[in-house]
Amino acid sequence: GAVVSQHPSWVICKSGTSVKIECRSLDFQATTMFWYRQFPKQSLMLMATSNEGSKATYEQGVEKDKFLINHASLTLSTLTVTSAHPEDSSFYICSARAPTGVSSYNEQFFGPGTRLTVL
Amino acid sequence: GESVGLHLPTLSVQEGDNSIINCAYSNSASDYFIWYKQESGKGPQFIIDIRSNMDKRQGQRVTVLLNKTVKHLSLQIAATQPGDSAVYFCAENNAGNMLTFGGGTRLMVKP
Repeated sequence: GAVVSQHPSWVICKSGTSVKIECRSLDFQATTMFWYRQFPKQSLMLMATSNEGSKATYEQGVEKDKFLINHASLTLSTLTVTSAHPEDSSFYICSARAPTGVSSYNEQFFGPGTRLTVL
Repeated sequence: GESVGLHLPTLSVQEGDNSIINCAYSNSASDYFIWYKQESGKGPQFIIDIRSNMDKRQGQRVTVLLNKTVKHLSLQIAATQPGDSAVYFCAENNAGNMLTFGGGTRLMVKP
């Protein structure tokens, strides 16, 4: 149990276009989802925390108008990279926190990631 | 700000040997620590976790040790196999229930 999926797994787009990435918790309801960005050979950096039905909380240095997050249901959060540029090329990973009883203490379950390449 | 760091960026071991990956953390208020394994092009995979009220926890072939006095976390992998080759991250859960990841250590297993 506790599976998180992401779609698409990879995407290539032209500079200036917008790209939407979906994150779904498949077998549990997640009130909180997280979005991370990972550049090559680097660690995961938290971008924002997404709570169902409320506005996302962004980490310092992350532009909320560029990285739009919507958490419309307990099983789906989306990240839209608006007006993407080559420097936005990265590996975007989401995670979902399962409610108590589904997992061990405060565990986050991670999606498989989405590779974004902006030409 | 608070951070989690690692001592060794790359660890190369012989198949069958034991591996030890280390991690230093700086937030004494962190109450929960996790080790993740990440293979190329994939998301992090949970390996083992430990709460701050414990100093050792064992899983299948893996052991996590927590030394709160010196703020040190380690992951021990017994009888390392080629399939263990990956990047390993430690992460700490802070008071805000956020995860902060360390820089990662690449484990390379030589056959």
